[in-house]
Amino acid sequence: DVKVTQSSRYLVKRTGEKVFLECVQDMDHENMFWYRQDPGLGLRLIYFSYDVKMKEKGDIPEGYSVSREKKERFSLILESASTNQTSMYLCASRLRGRLNYGYTFGSGTRLTVV
Amino acid sequence: AQSVTQLDSHVSVSEGTPVLLRCNYSSSYSPSLFWYVQHPNKGLQLLLKYTSAATLVKGINGFEAEFKKSETSFHLTKPSAHMSDAAEYFCVVSVRGFKTIFGAGTRLFVKA
Repeated sequence: DVKVTQSSRYLVKRTGEKVFLECVQDMDHENMFWYRQDPGLGLRLIYFSYDVKMKEKGDIPEGYSVSREKKERFSLILESASTNQTSMYLCASRLRGRLNYGYTFGSGTRLTVV
Repeated sequence: AQSVTQLDSHVSVSEGTPVLLRCNYSSSYSPSLFWYVQHPNKGLQLLLKYTSAATLVKGINGFEAEFKKSETSFHLTKPSAHMSDAAEYFCVVSVRGFKTIFGAGTRLFVKA
């Protein structure tokens, strides 16, 4: 069964901490995405990556960075966590050039910053 | 530009009755359209997709959707709701070369 795995389901971090959210896919997908989901705001794209070592800003990149050193792994980094980054974070992947296949999502990481 | 509007933020049905979740889209090009389902504290799961083949698309768990170009709609239906269908549903539009757009979501409640 193909999978996108997010390393943590729930995380609690302190304000100012550097936070790493990890996402691994086993489908050999080139494209990977990080979204955050908040009530009333829907899904908002933070960053995406077309391939290894490539990254593009999404709609809300401020306060975040990403790393894609290997094809299967896409990491989201909160440089200095703040309470307004408390959210559900969703990782997704997709085969390049295959918009009609849709995304495969991970189970999400619910991050609370205190 | 692309956009997607889910016409109801909440829908409540009784178990065993039909489900209708409404989605309208706007696109200057031929879109791919998707419905995803999200159960509480879970990721999104693909229910079904339209990709310019058959206009009536069947998905998992008895759901189906009909692409109506003249009405720019892609409504999701199911003949008989089950308690396990209670979840949030997202309509999504993708066009090559443009950003994928997610609808705001429709929360489905199923009453016993």
